[in-house]
Amino acid sequence: DGGITQSPKYLFRKEGQNVTLSCEQNLNHDAMYWYRQDPGQGLRLIYYSQIVNDFQKGDIAEGYSVSREKKESFPLTVTSAQKNPTAFYLCASRTTSGGTQYFGPGTRLLVL
Amino acid sequence: GQQLNQSPQSMFIQEGEDVSMNCTSSSIFNTWLWYKQDPGEGPVLLIALYKAGELTSNGRLTAQFGITRKDSFLNISASIPSDVGIYFCAGQRETSGSRLTFGEGTQLTVNP
Repeated sequence: DGGITQSPKYLFRKEGQNVTLSCEQNLNHDAMYWYRQDPGQGLRLIYYSQIVNDFQKGDIAEGYSVSREKKESFPLTVTSAQKNPTAFYLCASRTTSGGTQYFGPGTRLLVL
Repeated sequence: GQQLNQSPQSMFIQEGEDVSMNCTSSSIFNTWLWYKQDPGEGPVLLIALYKAGELTSNGRLTAQFGITRKDSFLNISASIPSDVGIYFCAGQRETSGSRLTFGEGTQLTVNP
């Protein structure tokens, strides 16, 4: 099956701990994105990457970090500097030629 | 980042009724997208619009790209219970590269 996978579905973070959310796609898409969604709100862009080994900050990058070492993978690390990390995190991808982004199933991060 | 103005925020309708929602912006967009999100899941693309004035249907759904390129609407005809969810509009501007701007969503409830 082609698509975008995110793991885990639920993730718990302790205070002061860094956690990494996985995003993998086998659609051969060049660009990948990370969004944060809070209850009753729209999607806010954290980071995005248009090609391997390159990424740009979105609107709310503080407290997050990413890497893009492989075309298929775009992991997001929520660092201890992110003081309010509880949210639903969505990964998306698209081809460079098309405007449509396709989303993964999401990871819900909760702070213990 | 700039949010699109999406309305209404929520709708409560009876099964069989038609639904209309829209997004407006002060900026010009060259792509409009409509997504549906079920609880705890990632958004799923419903309709993509790439040309001003374009009217596109997908089953009971119809969406239009406004002639001014600053708005779009989505209609759902003869609603059914499985139409329940959050509907998001998203737009891509020429100057924003591959980034999308999202509306805050319309929560649709369909009473059987």
